Amino acid sequence: EDQVTQSPEALRLQEGESSSLNCSYTVSGLRGLFWYRQDPGKGPEFLFTLYSAGEEKEKERLKATLTKKESFLHITAPKPEDSATYLCAADRDDKIIFGKGTRLHILP
Amino acid sequence: DTAVSQTPKYLVTQMGNDKSIKCEQNLGHDTMYWYKQDSKKFLKIMFSYNNKELIINETVPNRFSPKSPDKAHLNLHINSLELGDSAVYFCASSQAVDSNQPQHFGDGTRLSIL
Repeated sequence: EDQVTQSPEALRLQEGESSSLNCSYTVSGLRGLFWYRQDPGKGPEFLFTLYSAGEEKEKERLKATLTKKESFLHITAPKPEDSATYLCAADRDDKIIFGKGTRLHILP
Repeated sequence: DTAVSQTPKYLVTQMGNDKSIKCEQNLGHDTMYWYKQDSKKFLKIMFSYNNKELIINETVPNRFSPKSPDKAHLNLHINSLELGDSAVYFCASSQAVDSNQPQHFGDGTRLSIL
């Protein structure tokens, strides 16, 4: 069965403390891997799409990478405004499968 | 300007009632979706429509009936509401169903069944 698993479920970091979020997937016919950010009371907001193993994308303090089995979202020197839930989603040819997300909390 | 808008934002109603949630997108996208996000924050697809035609129905009870009057609108009607229907419902859109382009989400409708 196709699935997307994210770890950890929750992560608390001090401001400036870099870390990585993991998304492992077993999806047949993967066409792309998406990362989204979701703030409380809001819908998911698109961050990155990765299409092939070895690909990397960067945006401000975030960098997403992809291998054949997993994706990482690296956050460098995070700030309190980076606190949110980060979702990854695997794009199959007929639908998108979301992971349960990682709740990230950055302490000032 | 809001790209994907859904109304209402909050919906509180009694068990057994019938209710509707409306969704509109102004992005010119061909494909629209409904997702359910449960109390554990797991986002699961319910339906997708491409140019007003149903393409995905993920074993959702037939009390849920999507309606797409045109490709910019996808409404969700729910009959005989049950306690387990309490969740946040998200509408989303993307350029096309097979374009592997990201989906754009509305801000959700929080449905609470009393």
